[in-house]
Amino acid sequence: DAKTTQPPSMDCAEGRAANLPCNHSTISGNEYVYWYRQIHSQGPQYIIHGLKNNETNEMASLIITEDRKSSTLILPHATLRDTAVYYCIVRVRGGGNKLTFGTGTQLKVEL
Amino acid sequence: NAGVTQTPKFQVLKTGQSMTLQCAQDMNHNSMYWYRQDPGMGLRLIYYSASEGTTDKGEVPNGYNVSRLNKREFSLRLESAAPSQTSVYFCASRPTSGNNQPQHFGDGTRLSIL
Repeated sequence: DAKTTQPPSMDCAEGRAANLPCNHSTISGNEYVYWYRQIHSQGPQYIIHGLKNNETNEMASLIITEDRKSSTLILPHATLRDTAVYYCIVRVRGGGNKLTFGTGTQLKVEL
Repeated sequence: NAGVTQTPKFQVLKTGQSMTLQCAQDMNHNSMYWYRQDPGMGLRLIYYSASEGTTDKGEVPNGYNVSRLNKREFSLRLESAAPSQTSVYFCASRPTSGNNQPQHFGDGTRLSIL
């Protein structure tokens, strides 16, 4: 699986958009980008995933650059409950569909 | 709909004791996974089961065994617990209808080995 690079921490004011970047410069054509988050040692929670098109769901938006070497997770109106560690994962189809977690980005949403 | 259920939630063992961590999912998923998470680190895959009747090693399988009892249940066994196995253990499952389906995680088992 392609390696991902994320900033170790970010801060965001409540009500503002949180933009979390991820670099995956070695991504190959069949690898999906997944985002999960982990709130205070709970089990990881799936947020969103995409291959090459931008995606949006009720939780977030995922913007993937045209060359697919980086992506940004956008939480449009961050709340205190969005404080968590956010993991960007690039996964190859097949092979058990295993996920390789890095250390993620600790997002702190403040008043 | 409970999703992925792990038992127990907490456990303390002495070095050398054995223990089985239980995981069950009610989403009719084919694939199941066991991860461990040490402080300040991401999750690492121990074992996985792509479908009922199959199991495969992940990144850190040493000291563990698994059993895919049926489609719903996937257990993780420590035969002789060691302090290095003190960790939080997460179970996950995913459907295989569509290769890009995400994994769904349980709330974890916090295991301490003294």
